Amino acid sequence: SQTIHQWPATLVQPVGSPLSLECTVEGTSNPNLYWYRQAAGRGLQLLFYSVGIGQISSEVPQNLSASRPQDRQFILSSKKLLLSDSGFYLCAWSEGGALPQYFGPGTRLLVL
Amino acid sequence: QKEVEQNSGPLSVPEGAIASLNCTYSDRGSQSFFWYRQYSGKSPELIMSIYSNGDKEDGRFTAQLNKASQYVSLLIRDSQPSDSATYLCAVPYGNKLVFGAGTILRVKS
Repeated sequence: SQTIHQWPATLVQPVGSPLSLECTVEGTSNPNLYWYRQAAGRGLQLLFYSVGIGQISSEVPQNLSASRPQDRQFILSSKKLLLSDSGFYLCAWSEGGALPQYFGPGTRLLVL
Repeated sequence: QKEVEQNSGPLSVPEGAIASLNCTYSDRGSQSFFWYRQYSGKSPELIMSIYSNGDKEDGRFTAQLNKASQYVSLLIRDSQPSDSATYLCAVPYGNKLVFGAGTILRVKS
C-alpha cells in the first residue's frame, strides 16, 4: 500500500529565515505530487504540482519554490519567510490528473 | 477556471439524522467527483469517489451525482458526533483538483 510522509510536523520560524519542507511517497512510482497551503479557517490553496522529476508547475507566484529531485520526493522551500507564510502545508499524491489525491499528515508552520 | 461551490455552513443536525451536503460545479464536461472529510487540525481524507450518474453507497455514506444539473451531494445516514468535520467536494481539472471551500458539519448528541 501507498504511504505519504511529511516532516516536520510543526515548525516555528522567525520572519526572514529560510524554509525547507519535505514530502516522500512510498509504494508507488511516478506519482503526481502536490503542495497545498491552508490558512487558518480557510480552504485549500494549490501552490505547486509536479508530474515528473524536475517538472514543477507553479500556481501562485510568491516567495516559495518547489523541487522534485527524485521520483517520490517533493520539497517546498523559501529563502526568506514572511508572516503571511504561516499556515498548514499539505503534500498530496495521485496516480493521475483525473484520479483522487491522497494527503500527507501536513506541516503546521508558524512564522513569528 | 473551473468553479466548485459549497455552502460553508455550519450545517447542524441531531445525532441519528441524515446530513445532506451539496456541491455544484461549473464544467459540464467533468467526469469524476470526490468527497473529502477534514477533521479540525488534520489533513483531508478521501471518503467517496463517484464517476457516473446516480447513487453510490458505502456504509453510511451515499454520494449522488446529477450531471445534467451539475451537482453532486453526499448523504450521511445515522449521523454521529464523530462525523463532525468539514466536508470538501473536489473536481479534476487537468492534473489538478479544484476544491470547494468546504461545508462544516456539526452533529449534536
